[in-house]
Amino acid sequence: RKEVEQDPGPFNVPEGATVAFNCTYSNSASQSFFWYRQDCRKEPKLLMSVYSSGNEDGRFTAQLNRASQYISLLIRDSKLSDSATYLCVSRDAGGTSYGKLTFGQGTILTVHP
Amino acid sequence: ETGVTQSPTHLIKTRGQQVTLRCSSQSGHNTVSWYQQALGQGPQFIFQYYREEENGRGNFPPRFSGLQFPNYSSELNVNALELDDSALYLCASSLAGRPETQYFGPGTRLLVL
Repeated sequence: RKEVEQDPGPFNVPEGATVAFNCTYSNSASQSFFWYRQDCRKEPKLLMSVYSSGNEDGRFTAQLNRASQYISLLIRDSKLSDSATYLCVSRDAGGTSYGKLTFGQGTILTVHP
Repeated sequence: ETGVTQSPTHLIKTRGQQVTLRCSSQSGHNTVSWYQQALGQGPQFIFQYYREEENGRGNFPPRFSGLQFPNYSSELNVNALELDDSALYLCASSLAGRPETQYFGPGTRLLVL
């Protein structure tokens, strides 16, 4: 079983739609969680951190449920520019893997006119 | 831009050869991590360096090795290349006290024939 698992997608939605991505993690010692965005043939870029209290950044809302080891990302009012691969990421708590990021396989989102 | 640079951008090698990839960290960042991203997958942690010492390693064989220099630039060396080593190799730099914020370089695309 992979440490971080995501909906495989791909998601193909019209502009203005709301889309939700789900992710589960297996390492209960994971300390921090993030969503990264990766455009085609580019490097991953941090989209937002994920907190248990939930956090929102404009049209993006992320949520963490530590009890069920579940992470989500909600995108409202999708734009064409949101088309990318979205990567669910956890960070180890410490020890020899301090700072190690564990990525899910990514979910491809295509927003069409 | 993240301020992290990598060279070369693309590279073609044959099985059995050796390769050295280079990364220049963002100014002031003393921790560097290397990741391998195969096509259609999320990045996988190879190892991390802090103050010129390996500070954590993922599930990669010893033929993957690295160096970090006093100016915090870094190298990834891969010996005895295999076809499955074909991937995008990413480096990410961060401050030691801020591992949650990692800045990725644009990557080096390696093709092994």
